[in-house]
Amino acid sequence: QLQLQESGPGLVKPSETLSLTCTVSGGSVSSSSSTYYWGWIRQPPGKGLEWIGSIYFTGNTYYSPSLKSRVTISVDTSEKQFSLQLTSVTATDTAVYYCARLSTGRWLVQDAFDIWGQGTMVTVSS
Amino acid sequence: QSALTQPASVSGSPGQSITISCTGTSSDVGIYNYVSWYQQHPGKAPKLMIYDVNNRPSGVSHRFSGSKSGNTASLTISGLQAEDEADYYCGSYTSSNTLVFGGGTKLTVL
Repeated sequence: QLQLQESGPGLVKPSETLSLTCTVSGGSVSSSSSTYYWGWIRQPPGKGLEWIGSIYFTGNTYYSPSLKSRVTISVDTSEKQFSLQLTSVTATDTAVYYCARLSTGRWLVQDAFDIWGQGTMVTVSS
Repeated sequence: QSALTQPASVSGSPGQSITISCTGTSSDVGIYNYVSWYQQHPGKAPKLMIYDVNNRPSGVSHRFSGSKSGNTASLTISGLQAEDEADYYCGSYTSSNTLVFGGGTKLTVL
């Protein structure tokens, strides 16, 4: 059974880079027959979900327009992890960060997040 | 891109049916059937309840159903139960090859 687990620092200083890793167990993020993307979503305290971005096993990435200039998502060569980097963070980046598997629709378009990690809280503060 | 529009809250009594709307545009909900719905209990990760407008993942109760008309998608929960009390979010694929969520709806079971 596929499971996802986020990991990384719970506290990041303003202007620094937030780095998180999502470890996949029971499967792989890289497969020649993959029909899944892998994505990051965040949720500020008391607020709604925000899609950050997604990556396909080929390395193709898709980012939220509002975060695109600061976000990088990559797949680790171990094929069991994918990562998120968010640069120049401010207090508004404080949130629970989720990684998730994203199913695909026709023509491999991004569809629905069907498996989620438990989430990790990241606070931006000096 | 703007978030999809959902009512902030809805409520219903046990056994009743409720519907949550999710309004987008002709660049997302209106032209794609890649609309999904998620249930989130406090302190928990979201759970996929509906995908592709009206499909239920294995294990999701038949009391949950989805539909779409024009730029608005809807989630209907029939036979409300106390355990259905949660936040619900819609999501959609967009013509910019991105994803967008709704602002969320808090369901209260009276």
